[in-house]
Amino acid sequence: SQTIHQWPATLVQPVGSPLSLECTVEGTSNPNLYWYRQAAGRGLQLLFYSVGIGQISSEVPQNLSASRPQDRQFILSSKKLLLSDSGFYLCAWKKFVGWTEAFFGQGTRLTVV
Amino acid sequence: SQQGEEDPQALSIQEGENATMNCSYKTSINNLQWYRQNSGRGLVHLILIRSNEREKHSGRLRVTLDTSKKSSSLLITASRAADTASYFCAYPTGANNLFFGTGTRLTVIP
Repeated sequence: SQTIHQWPATLVQPVGSPLSLECTVEGTSNPNLYWYRQAAGRGLQLLFYSVGIGQISSEVPQNLSASRPQDRQFILSSKKLLLSDSGFYLCAWKKFVGWTEAFFGQGTRLTVV
Repeated sequence: SQQGEEDPQALSIQEGENATMNCSYKTSINNLQWYRQNSGRGLVHLILIRSNEREKHSGRLRVTLDTSKKSSSLLITASRAADTASYFCAYPTGANNLFFGTGTRLTVIP
């Protein structure tokens, strides 16, 4: 069966520090991978998606970047965090072909102080 | 904006009552999905309804889709305290994106 791991679960970082959030998927190959951000009490905002190794599409210009160094690994990064980067970050995957359901990680609560 | 709108934003009901949440969207879709999110956790897929379907059931869940009105509803029957969560509709926009509505926060009072 497929599983998705996302870590860390919580993170408190000072303004100006770097960020690296990691997401890995097991039990499937060539998945589409996604990073979403959720502000408190709000819906999900798509940040990045990837359809293959090294292929990154950005939905919203911002202080963040994403990379996909391996088929089932997706990393969200920042060189210098801003207060506005605080939020709940969710990684998700879906099968490459077709639009069935998406599977989500448990999320990372990032607080920039 | 392509964003789905859900109403109500918040809903509080007694255990045993039915809960209905609505979702409206603005684009053409080939399917619409509903997800549940417990507080501080990831989203879990509940049900998918295709554009050529009008109604779908899964356990205590009933989803309807009206493509002429660009709207969908999620009905949870005989609600339980464990149903307390936020519920989101979502639909594909383009080949690779899944767009989420703003969500309905459901509270079921024991």
